[in-house]
Amino acid sequence: DTEVTQTPKHLVMGMTNKKSLKCEQHMGHRAMYWYKQKAKKPPELMFVYSYEKLSINESVPSRFSPECPNSSLLNLHLHALQPEDSALYLCASRQDLFGLAKGEQYFGPGTRLTVT
Amino acid sequence: GQQVMQIPQYQHVQEGEDFTTYCNSSTTLSNIQWYKQRPGGHPVFLIQLVKSGEVKKQKRLTFQFGEAKKNSSLHITATQTTDVGTYFCAGPGGSQGNLIFGKGTKLSVKP
Repeated sequence: DTEVTQTPKHLVMGMTNKKSLKCEQHMGHRAMYWYKQKAKKPPELMFVYSYEKLSINESVPSRFSPECPNSSLLNLHLHALQPEDSALYLCASRQDLFGLAKGEQYFGPGTRLTVT
Repeated sequence: GQQVMQIPQYQHVQEGEDFTTYCNSSTTLSNIQWYKQRPGGHPVFLIQLVKSGEVKKQKRLTFQFGEAKKNSSLHITATQTTDVGTYFCAGPGGSQGNLIFGKGTKLSVKP
């Protein structure tokens, strides 16, 4: 199983809503990532989890709150978002053997978020 | 911070023509990865290059890593409509395996 799954596929939310994005992988990968991708732009790193611990927060506003309940799951909690937060949110995972930073990332299909 | 520059931004070709996209870094890269993102899709890993001067082939795709490990290229021979998409190069962004993506080259192929 080399698949990263993400739910929901699409999400429309108002600026006062609270919602969560979910990501799951069963490849035994110990590094998991959240990226934000705007149209016609490359993915932009938001958060990195390594062995279920947050290791990188790329100065992301607090209205985005990541959570890693276990080694297979990654959540992104959303609250009081702005219209400019509308984007494709991608989750990725990577096998982290012996703490080496090399190795490909497996991306999920993404959640297309629209904030109204 | 580290940047990976990628050109061209767009490339329109006739089916059967060749295509090349280039990446450059101002610093030496320990490795470089290439991803393809189809329209409406997500990035899919193509290959990782690690060694200086490395050349790898996948059918019609040829990947090169420069001798100084500061540049890389992806060449597609005789493009097909299935090659349509955006090709990203990505260099290492830090100790957590995070990636710094180039801006991507969007390839369109006219049948």
